[in-house]
Amino acid sequence: GAGVSQSPRYKVAKRGQDVALRCDPISGHVSLFWYQQALGQGPEFLTYFQNEAQLDKSGLPSDRFFAERPEGSVSTLKIQRTQQEDSAVYLCASSLYRDRNNQPQHFGDGTRLSIL
Amino acid sequence: DQQVKQNSPSLSVQEGRISILNCDYTNSMFDYFLWYKKYPAEGPTFLISISSIKDKNEDGRFTVFLNKSAKHLSLHIVPSQPGDSAVYFCAASLPRAGTALIFGKGTTLSVSS
Repeated sequence: GAGVSQSPRYKVAKRGQDVALRCDPISGHVSLFWYQQALGQGPEFLTYFQNEAQLDKSGLPSDRFFAERPEGSVSTLKIQRTQQEDSAVYLCASSLYRDRNNQPQHFGDGTRLSIL
Repeated sequence: DQQVKQNSPSLSVQEGRISILNCDYTNSMFDYFLWYKKYPAEGPTFLISISSIKDKNEDGRFTVFLNKSAKHLSLHIVPSQPGDSAVYFCAASLPRAGTALIFGKGTTLSVSS
């Protein structure tokens, strides 16, 4: 497709379960970002990939969060042993260049994660 | 400590009038600023951006103004249309590759016909 695609759109899990969220960036986009958006807040950075390399994971809130992009295209965000505070919308964004070059990030519609 | 602040949670405007959305930032190292528009259950959509070397950027009905000395930017929508009703996020980034966007909390714009 033309835009960033995320799946599933909605995910409900019981506390303690593991979840995996998928992001399909725009074809050819080198940079890929994950953000977490809590209700009433702006998106907050989680992690950044340049092709398959995870260059910044400073925003991941705990070691229960893990992200990968093994072939430099599709990315997966995994959350282990989910907690209620993990409930949020998880957004993926991609941009064309390795260098920022004043290129905007383009966002998917997100995955709304609810932990019961 | 929020580095990007949108102090007005909401704004109501009549159709055809001007909408002005404001954003303040604290980090003087930010050099690229963006506005995103978000409808319910959708992701943020890029609207317009401005580099710190400029003080104005215009795209159709949308104009962004940057005042570096005041660390303030604003988005003007003229004329406002009911379809503009959405949440608007201001975002900023630092001058390096792979830099994350720092977002404000958003302003909900309602345009009535």
